[in-house]
Amino acid sequence: AQSVTQPDIHITVSEGASLELRCNYSYGATPYLFWYVQSPGQGLQLLLKYFSGDTLVQGIKGFEAEFKRSQSSFNLRKPSVHWSDAAEYFCAVGARTGGSYIPTFGRGTSLIVHP
Amino acid sequence: DGGITQSPKYLFRKEGQNVTLSCEQNLNHDAMYWYRQDPGQGLRLIYYSQIVNDFQKGDIAEGYSVSREKKESFPLTVTSAQKNPTAFYLCASRGLAPYNEQFFGPGTRLTVL
Repeated sequence: AQSVTQPDIHITVSEGASLELRCNYSYGATPYLFWYVQSPGQGLQLLLKYFSGDTLVQGIKGFEAEFKRSQSSFNLRKPSVHWSDAAEYFCAVGARTGGSYIPTFGRGTSLIVHP
Repeated sequence: DGGITQSPKYLFRKEGQNVTLSCEQNLNHDAMYWYRQDPGQGLRLIYYSQIVNDFQKGDIAEGYSVSREKKESFPLTVTSAQKNPTAFYLCASRGLAPYNEQFFGPGTRLTVL
């Protein structure tokens, strides 16, 4: 079974600083990988996705993520954080299990942005 | 605009009452999902449906029931058997291959008094 680990429960950065959120996955084959963002009291919004091809993936809101197969990682990055980026971020891996498609989500990383 | 709607946004119920949360999508997606979200626990899968008239239990199905009579609709009933129903509930549908990414509704906050 696949699993996703987001080792950081909270990350605090200053506005304008760079950001990296970590995500490690466990899956036997090439995974479908996703990053979602959730503002308080809202649903999840897809930031970016990866399945194959270029391992550096560009997403919305200036985010990017890099797939590293050797490290089983899919870390999310942003060169300069804005106060509006404060939110909960979820990494997810998608896989078929017994004919069903069941994504697995990490527990999330809460991003706090200081002015 | 295509998307997923959930209603109501906030729901209050007395202990022991059943309550039904609505989820509707106009994305023409076959698969739909219900998740429960509690602080610090991420998303936990309650039920999912790959196609109309078919659904499967997720990791925490006890105390919940669903139906999938129409492609557009996947309502979730929280029954009195659910021991701790107060939570944030998210509905999602799944897009097309190859990515199969999920699209989420805005959520329903259920509070049982």
